[in-house]
Amino acid sequence: KNQVEQSPQSLIILEGKNCTLQCNYTVSPFSNLRWYKQDTGRGPVSLTIMTFSENTKSNGRYTATLDADTKQSSLHITASQLSDSASYICVVSDRGSTLGRLYFGRGTQLTVWP
Amino acid sequence: EADIYQTPRYLVIGTGKKITLECSQTMGHDKMYWYQQDPGMELHLIHYSYGVNSTEKGDLSSESTVSRIRTEHFPLTLESARPSHTSQYLCASSEAGTGELFFGEGSRLTVL
Repeated sequence: KNQVEQSPQSLIILEGKNCTLQCNYTVSPFSNLRWYKQDTGRGPVSLTIMTFSENTKSNGRYTATLDADTKQSSLHITASQLSDSASYICVVSDRGSTLGRLYFGRGTQLTVWP
Repeated sequence: EADIYQTPRYLVIGTGKKITLECSQTMGHDKMYWYQQDPGMELHLIHYSYGVNSTEKGDLSSESTVSRIRTEHFPLTLESARPSHTSQYLCASSEAGTGELFFGEGSRLTVL
């Protein structure tokens, strides 16, 4: 069964600290993996998208890694800010159809305290 | 900022009412989607469209219907709302090349 599992479910850190969010998937075949940030009451916004051949991609203070062999990805946030408080969603796309079906994780709820 | 808009942002209605959630995008994307999202849960695809006059049901069974008469417009309609329809509804469109999804701000529906 194609699944995307994220951990931890929730995380609280102090402003300025770093953190790492995890995403494990069983989706096959694999096309790409995306990380989205979703602020409370808003729609998700894309942070990174990685294909099979990419193992690291950065977007400012966000760095995503991908290990396609172990089917794991992580999102590392450096020097966290209050505005980083949000849900971070991992999404995996397969190549099983022209639509490239998407499998969503439940997200990690990050709270950054001052 | 993505150019995809949803209205209304919030809606509280009584059981049995007909409602339409509007979604418009100005990016010229052919593919558009409706997702349903409950707190702490993953997004579930309820409808999608490849282009004008093309609509398909998604993975999650839904009593809603959609239409795609114009490329930029993808409204979702509930003929008779029930409390079980209470949820957040997210509209999205995707780029042809990268497949990157652009989401609207969402419509939070509460049915009393």
